[in-house]
Amino acid sequence: GAVVSQHPSWVICKSGTSVKIECRSLDFQATTMFWYRQFPKQSLMLMATSNEGSKATYEQGVEKDKFLINHASLTLSTLTVTSAHPEDSSFYICSAGTFYSYEQYFGPGTRLTVT
Amino acid sequence: RKEVEQDPGPFNVPEGATVAFNCTYSNSASQSFFWYRQDCRKEPKLLMSVYSSGNEDGRFTAQLNRASQYISLLIRDSKLSDSATYLCVVIKGDTGRRALTFGSGTRLQVQP
Repeated sequence: GAVVSQHPSWVICKSGTSVKIECRSLDFQATTMFWYRQFPKQSLMLMATSNEGSKATYEQGVEKDKFLINHASLTLSTLTVTSAHPEDSSFYICSAGTFYSYEQYFGPGTRLTVT
Repeated sequence: RKEVEQDPGPFNVPEGATVAFNCTYSNSASQSFFWYRQDCRKEPKLLMSVYSSGNEDGRFTAQLNRASQYISLLIRDSKLSDSATYLCVVIKGDTGRRALTFGSGTRLQVQP
């Protein structure tokens, strides 16, 4: 089956610093990648949708200047949390899909802790 | 009102029991429906798609009622390994978006 990787799997950073999370589709070309966030005991919430080569579409309430998304190739999307604060501490998960299928493949997630 | 609503549980059942989860969705334009399983601190994994005609995969049976905007999942002969959170997931089907909308999940604990 399709494999999606995320790096890093966990990261601890200080308040005010920026953190970049990578999402890669390893054995297929992902025309669309999605970024989700999950707080403890809550469900996954979609943050943004990115199509290769175009600007990401952000969900209401998600600050595009704080969560920078780049989808420069069909196998890589990055999420950069800029000027991170403790309230940004969460589990960030990406998923990748293709235009011709509804199926999405999830990465293993990145656990971010901001101190 | 949430777009996808589930009973959060937890459902504590003995091994071998049959358990059913329900889910309702609010957007009548929703087109695709799924059940995902999420283990603690892991990514969600697709369990099965849900079709109006109902579908079965081993011990798991999923059903969709479009008129009532209701989805169900039945697990027969529960195993300890079934313990997880089960997520009801809907796709609205907007062209080019296909983002998944997740319910908050129902936690299942199967006990020996």
